[in-house]
Amino acid sequence: QVQLVQSGAEVKKPGSSVRVSCKASGGTFNSYIVTWVRQAPGQGFEWLGRIIPPHGTTNYSQKFQGRVTITADESMSTAYMELNSLRSEDTAMYYCARDSGTYVFHYWGQGTQVTVSS
Amino acid sequence: QAGLTQPPSVSKGLRQTATLTCTGNSNNVGNQGAAWLQQHLGHPPKLLSYKNYNRPSGISERFSASRSGNTASLTITGLQPEDEADYYCSAWDSSLSAWVFGGGTKLTVL
Repeated sequence: QVQLVQSGAEVKKPGSSVRVSCKASGGTFNSYIVTWVRQAPGQGFEWLGRIIPPHGTTNYSQKFQGRVTITADESMSTAYMELNSLRSEDTAMYYCARDSGTYVFHYWGQGTQVTVSS
Repeated sequence: QAGLTQPPSVSKGLRQTATLTCTGNSNNVGNQGAAWLQQHLGHPPKLLSYKNYNRPSGISERFSASRSGNTASLTITGLQPEDEADYYCSAWDSSLSAWVFGGGTKLTVL
């Protein structure tokens, strides 16, 4: 059974950066798309971007282009999302999700709360 | 802001049928179909359906999805208390080269 385990909650200052990890167990890590989305308190979902195997091609939302970087370490079965120049509006729960060939967003991490506050 | 349009709330009685809608355009729902996600408070989402594929393993047959033009629908029959949750649709938008989401529908089971 595929499980995605994300890194713990973060509290960051405005202007700083945050890196969230998403470690996969079960299944072949480098065969499926990993997507990052976020959910602000009481709000819906926002797509940040994705990383596509096998060459690690990335697509990013235009809104976050230049501020977000998604990478993957196949040896560690871990994907990473780094968001720079943080502002208060970036306070949200950040989720990773993995496809399964047929299904998009089939498996989800537990979420990582990122709080941006001075 | 959300790229797809969903009604903010729907209320139905126990054992009734609820149909949730998700309206996009020809670049997303009309072209690519939609995914439906269920989210209970404080939990990550769960995939209920994607395009016209069979339901993922473990998803009740009470959930069924369809599409007509630029509108996707999720029908939930025999409503149960555990169906009370937020439901989101999502679709790949070929003009944006991005996944877009609806604002979500809060389903209340009376």
